[in-house]
Amino acid sequence: EAQVTQNPRYLITVTGKKLTVTCSQNMNHEYMSWYRQDPGLGLRQIYYSMNVEVTDKGDVPEGYKVSRKEKRNFPLILESPSPNQTSLYFCASSLWSEFNEQFFGPGTRLTVL
Amino acid sequence: DAKTTQPPSMDCAEGRAANLPCNHSTISGNEYVYWYRQIHSQGPQYIIHGLKNNETNEMASLIITEDRKSSTLILPHATLRDTAVYYCIVRVATGDNNDMRFGAGTRLTVKP
Repeated sequence: EAQVTQNPRYLITVTGKKLTVTCSQNMNHEYMSWYRQDPGLGLRQIYYSMNVEVTDKGDVPEGYKVSRKEKRNFPLILESPSPNQTSLYFCASSLWSEFNEQFFGPGTRLTVL
Repeated sequence: DAKTTQPPSMDCAEGRAANLPCNHSTISGNEYVYWYRQIHSQGPQYIIHGLKNNETNEMASLIITEDRKSSTLILPHATLRDTAVYYCIVRVATGDNNDMRFGAGTRLTVKP
């Protein structure tokens, strides 16, 4: 089944404790992206990647890192999480083509205390 | 910069057609209209997209006005499972970034 998976789905952590949210897709998509969703602010793009070893900042990259060492994986790294990074996070992927339907993962709900 | 305007909420009776409007008066000639929906806090789900012709798939129909300044998403026979937030997005088909700019959307509630 074609899908985007994220882990963990739920995470409660404390300020300053490094964490990684994994994202994996099995559709051989070139493009992958991370969004965060907050009430009243909609979905905002954090980082995106057009292919392996190619990443770029989205609208709200501060406090986040990403890597794209393999085509299927696009982990989101919070080196020193802060409470303002409490949010619902979505990973998405798509083919790099004119028709760019994006497939979204199920979401990761992160709480930073 | 808001490229689309949607009503914040709508109700629809189960089994009836749900017609969700979207205004995009500043749309450019090479921008497509996309519709996604988000059920509760799940990941957004693609529904349909179009450029200037009306489109139909197994989920919905998309009607785009001739001047392309507005469109309507039609769910022909709404069910309770169609209750969700529906997002109308306009963007070019290709570019440096496949970012989908999600606004506030329309919260559709399908009632029994």
